[in-house]
Amino acid sequence: AQSVTQPDIHITVSEGASLELRCNYSYGATPYLFWYVQSPGQGLQLLLKYFSGDTLVQGIKGFEAEFKRSQSSFNLRKPSVHWSDAAEYFCAVGMEYGNKLVFGAGTILRVKS
Amino acid sequence: EAGVTQFPSHSVIEKGQTVTLRCDPISGHDNLYWYRRVMGKEIKFLLHFVKESKQDESGMPNNRFLAERTGGTYSTLKVQPAELEDSGVYFCASSPLPGQGSEQYFGPGTRLTVT
Repeated sequence: AQSVTQPDIHITVSEGASLELRCNYSYGATPYLFWYVQSPGQGLQLLLKYFSGDTLVQGIKGFEAEFKRSQSSFNLRKPSVHWSDAAEYFCAVGMEYGNKLVFGAGTILRVKS
Repeated sequence: EAGVTQFPSHSVIEKGQTVTLRCDPISGHDNLYWYRRVMGKEIKFLLHFVKESKQDESGMPNNRFLAERTGGTYSTLKVQPAELEDSGVYFCASSPLPGQGSEQYFGPGTRLTVT
């Protein structure tokens, strides 16, 4: 069955430090992968997505993610975290039929000054 | 352009009562999705509309849940009668395209608490 694993429930980083959020997926076909972010009181906002081609994907707000098929991973990175990045981050895979999304459990990012 | 809106933002009801959640997708988006996040768990798919037709309702937990999208515009999700385990955040999303990988635009969610 399709699944997405985000092994870190909470992560705390210092402002200005680098960030990597982990995501592993299980999907039998070509994965369509997404990272969404949810700030308090807001809906989920798409940060970036991967379909094919270059395995390093650039997104909004300075985020990037790297697709590694051999590791079934799609980790999210940012070189320098800002306090406004504090939010919950979700990794998801899009199903072939109908495009429903299967989400990971989410990672809550805290940024300390 | 207005985003996806959901009403109400919060709802607190007693077990056995009925609640109706509403979602207004982005204008022109034929695809509408409902998801639910129970506390501490993943966001899970409930169902998918294409215009007014249910394309996939494989995620609906049981027959206490009824979703409609009359006229292919806004959608409602009714829970009747509500149970304690129905508590959670209900998200609606819309998309202009049906294909795999198309971006879904999410609303802020409705937080439902059943006491």
